Formats: sequence, C-alpha cells, structure tokens
Amino acid sequence: GENVEQHPSTLSVQEGDSAVIKCTYSDSASNYFPWYKQELGKRPQLIIDIRSNVGEKKDQRIAVTLNKTAKHFSLHITETQPEDSAVYFCAPSLNTGGFKTIFGAGTRLFVKA
Amino acid sequence: DVKVTQSSRYLVKRTGEKVFLECVQDMDHENMFWYRQDPGLGLRLIYFSYDVKMKEKGDIPEGYSVSREKKERFSLILESASTNQTSMYLCASSSLPNLGPSFFFGPGTRLTVT
Repeated sequence: GENVEQHPSTLSVQEGDSAVIKCTYSDSASNYFPWYKQELGKRPQLIIDIRSNVGEKKDQRIAVTLNKTAKHFSLHITETQPEDSAVYFCAPSLNTGGFKTIFGAGTRLFVKA
Repeated sequence: DVKVTQSSRYLVKRTGEKVFLECVQDMDHENMFWYRQDPGLGLRLIYFSYDVKMKEKGDIPEGYSVSREKKERFSLILESASTNQTSMYLCASSSLPNLGPSFFFGPGTRLTVT
C-alpha cells in the first residue's frame, strides 16, 4: 500500500518568510496530490491540489509543485502570516473509485509575528 | 455548500460499552471515510466505503466496524469500547474521481472512554 511521509514534522518561521513542506509517497500510480490545512480545533480543509499532468499550481500565496519521477510534492507558502499557523497534511491518492487514501502525519507550522 | 455532519462533538463512554458514531453528508458523494486523529500520529484510516453496503478496511480496523445502509450515512461502531480508543474521530466524504477526490471533513467527535 501507499507509504506517505511528510517533512518536517514541525516548522517555525518568522512572519513574512517562506515555508516549504515536502510529501514523499511510494505508489507510483498516484495521480492526485492535495494539501489540507487544519487550524486548531477545526476540521481539515483542502487548500490546494494538483494532478499528475501538471508540474506546478499556484493560488495567491500558496503553491504546490510535483516531481513524479522522484515521487514527492511540496507545499510552498510565501509571505507567511500568523493565520497560516496550522497543521498541514498531504494525501496522495489514485484518481479512481474505491480508493484508499492515506494522509501524511502532518506538519505543524508556527508563524511568529 | 458541502456539509458533513457528525452526531456528536463530544462523547464520554465507559469501557465495554457499544458506541455508535454517525456521519451524514448531503452532497451525494460515493466515498465516505472514518479516520482517527491522535497527537503526533496524524490521520489514520479506520474504514472506508465507496458504495452503499460496501466497506473496506483501512490501516487500523481492529475493534471497529462500520455500516453504510444509505448513501448519505456512514456509521462507525465500537463494539466494546476500550480506553485506547479515546481519540478524535473524523468522518469525511469525497466525490467521484473525475471531480477530483478531494475530501470534505465533518467537525469531528472527541470520544473519551473511561
């Protein structure tokens, strides 16, 4: 089955700096690569996703890049703000029915004001 | 607006009790999931279902069972609750693959077994 690893497990940055979180997966058939954000006490919510026919996707301050050959994808947050403080999860999966989705263990991001 | 609701936000049960956690989604999603979330361990998949009356084991199914009698409802059952099942339980649903299997989560049920 899919083995998913996220690094780092904790990340602390100064407000305005950039943050990068990496997700490594094992199943080369995976073709859908989302990132979820979970603020304290709230449910995880999708913030950005990418499919395997695209190498990079950007949405304002966040971006996701994919390296299918190396089997990893990364979340990039630029100009970080205190409200970016949260736990971020990756969840690579197959874009087919009946799939089993494994989430990474999560990365806790602290943005210091 | 997609809504995934869970029957309880907080639940306290005694060891040995049978516990039912209910999840309902209103977006006609085929796939539904139950995860538990523990500090440092992320989200671990207990069971999932891709159709009515269909269920598949996740990574940690021991001590749990599920029921999906209707498309919108997915229930998690703890046959005999134990203290190591104290956790946050998150239900999620997702749509057909051509729409992108992005997940919509419920608010979670924090279960304490004493």
